[in-house]
Amino acid sequence: DVKVTQSSRYLVKRTGEKVFLECVQDMDHENMFWYRQDPGLGLRLIYFSYDVKMKEKGDIPEGYSVSREKKERFSLILESASTNQTSMYLCASSLGAVPTYEQYFGPGTRLTVT
Amino acid sequence: AQKITQTQPGMFVQEKEAVTLDCTYDTSDPSYGLFWYKQPSSGEMIFLIYQGSYDQQNATEGRYSLNFQKARKSANLVISASQLGDSAMYFCAMNWAGNNRKLIWGLGTSLAVNP
Repeated sequence: DVKVTQSSRYLVKRTGEKVFLECVQDMDHENMFWYRQDPGLGLRLIYFSYDVKMKEKGDIPEGYSVSREKKERFSLILESASTNQTSMYLCASSLGAVPTYEQYFGPGTRLTVT
Repeated sequence: AQKITQTQPGMFVQEKEAVTLDCTYDTSDPSYGLFWYKQPSSGEMIFLIYQGSYDQQNATEGRYSLNFQKARKSANLVISASQLGDSAMYFCAMNWAGNNRKLIWGLGTSLAVNP
């Protein structure tokens, strides 16, 4: 079974702090994704990566950066957290470029910025 | 531009009955894939079922089936014999040949199964 893990289920940070969200997958997937989920707005893609050190902006990259130094790990960085980044963050991975490959999700991190 | 629409914000169904969750899509690419995911209150997204645009038959996975009507651009999820554990948010998503690594998502439908 594919397993995607995220470093924290719940996180509380202060405005202006640098925040790291970590995601690890154990199935050698090429693609990894970071989404945020807000009520009424659905899932919005922040960044995705299709290979080590490769990244591509999603729909809402502003205020975020990412890092993928190893194939299994994809980190989301909030350079200076703000209250409007309070949200549920979901990490996902998928096998490759074939369109039939579904995305597998981690349990999510609920981030609160105060 | 590609788009996914789920028009039912919330649905109710009695336990053991069938329910249909609507999803319509828009794309000009002839090659695309449609996915349904379930998100229980715990938050984790769970993949349910996949339908490819060239698949001749509607996809089925246990109690889940996909009513794929290509001409109408709809890909409705049918859950048969609803169970209390089916209460969750359900999301429809799509990729296409020109964008086959990423998914675009509908806003979801909240399903409540009543005992």
